[in-house]
Amino acid sequence: KQEVTQIPAALSVPEGENLVLNCSFTDSAIYNLQWFRQDPGKGLTSLLLIQSSQREQTSGRLNASLDKSSGRSTLYIAASQPGDSATYLCAVIGSGGGADGLTFGKGTHLIIQP
Amino acid sequence: EAQVTQNPRYLITVTGKKLTVTCSQNMNHEYMSWYRQDPGLGLRQIYYSMNVEVTDKGDVPEGYKVSRKEKRNFPLILESPSPNQTSLYFCASSLLGRAGEQYFGPGTRLTVT
Repeated sequence: KQEVTQIPAALSVPEGENLVLNCSFTDSAIYNLQWFRQDPGKGLTSLLLIQSSQREQTSGRLNASLDKSSGRSTLYIAASQPGDSATYLCAVIGSGGGADGLTFGKGTHLIIQP
Repeated sequence: EAQVTQNPRYLITVTGKKLTVTCSQNMNHEYMSWYRQDPGLGLRQIYYSMNVEVTDKGDVPEGYKVSRKEKRNFPLILESPSPNQTSLYFCASSLLGRAGEQYFGPGTRLTVT
C-alpha cells in the first residue's frame, strides 16, 4: 500500500529565506505527483503537477522536483513571503493498482515570519 | 470562473438525520470524487465517479452514498450520520480522469452530535 511522508511536519522561517519541503513515497509506480497548499478554513489549491516522466515543474517562485526511482519529491520556495504561510500537501496517483484516488501526505505546516 | 463548489460549507446535525452535501463543477470534468480529512489521518477518498452513472468506492466508503445523474453534480449522501463521520469533506474533479490534475472545492465541515 502506498504511503506518503512529508518532512518536516512544521517549519517556521523568517521572510525572504529560500526553503525546501520534502515528500517521499513508498511505491514508485505512480502516474504523477501533485503539490497543494491548504489555507485554514479553505480548500486545497493545486500548485504544481509533475507527471511521472518529468523531473521538475516550475511556477513563479515555486519549483517542484521528482525522483521517481528513489520515491522523492521536493518543493522549493524562493524568497518566501508571509503570504506563503499555509499547509503544503503532496499527493501521488498510483499506476500499479490499489487505491483509485490521490494518496496524500499529512502535510508541512509552514509559517513565514514577517 | 472555473471552480468546484460545495454546499453547505458548515453543517451541524444529529445522529441519524439524513443529509446531503452537494458538489458542482463548471469545468465539464468527467472525473469527480469525495475525500474526508481527519487530524492525524490526512485526506482519504470516499467515493469516485468516472462519468455519469458510473461510481465506485474509494478507501473509506462505509456509511456514505453518492449519485452521478449529471456530469456537473456529484452529491454525497449520509443516510444515517454517526459521530464518527464528523469531518472536513472535500469534493474534487479532474478533466483527465484519476491521473489528471485534481481541483478541489472549498470544503464542508460536518459535525454530527
